[in-house]
Amino acid sequence: AQSVTQLDSQVPVFEEAPVELRCNYSSSVSVYLFWYVQYPNQGLQLLLKYLSGSTLVKGINGFEAEFNKSQTSFHLRKPSVHISDTAEYFCAVSQNSGYSTLTFGKGTMLLVSP
Amino acid sequence: GAVVSQHPSWVICKSGTSVKIECRSLDFQATTMFWYRQFPKQSLMLMATSNEGSKATYEQGVEKDKFLINHASLTLSTLTVTSAHPEDSSFYICSARESGTGGGNYGYTFGSGTRLTVV
Repeated sequence: AQSVTQLDSQVPVFEEAPVELRCNYSSSVSVYLFWYVQYPNQGLQLLLKYLSGSTLVKGINGFEAEFNKSQTSFHLRKPSVHISDTAEYFCAVSQNSGYSTLTFGKGTMLLVSP
Repeated sequence: GAVVSQHPSWVICKSGTSVKIECRSLDFQATTMFWYRQFPKQSLMLMATSNEGSKATYEQGVEKDKFLINHASLTLSTLTVTSAHPEDSSFYICSARESGTGGGNYGYTFGSGTRLTVV
């Protein structure tokens, strides 16, 4: 079984400032890692995913994340946020087999203010 | 890219009635679909996994007789909330995994969700 911990339930930040959303995972086997964004009353949109290879993963909307196996982390970063980035962000993990389910963290609300 | 259409986006129903939510993969075949429930300001909780042509696998604590899941084709799965009560009010989201994806090609696509309110 695997689990995901998103330590920050809410992260307030000013527009154009950098941001990091933290994600730690626990698993007894190798994993795939994902970050999703959810806008109010909408489904989830994939920002990026780590499957294998380079530990630095670049996604949509200027986001990137780095897989750190020793620290079992997959933190999400953006060098300069916009008001439109205000949303809920979910980190998710699955076993690295083709047919495993996703386990989600509790989410981090990113609040960008002018 | 892959698109999953979920309908309705919102529904209000009276207590005791049943509500059906559809999840349709528009441009790909989905062997497996997932149904999640999300309470306000909380994460997604997996309710069940449905595979085309077979019975759904429900997570512990989910009433299979209340939440009926049908996955009759490779592009359509439905969730029916039977005899709905106010405590069933929630945001329900489906997800579809494209057939044949696995390993390095991980194709999960989410629907836009359904807000169910039972009055």
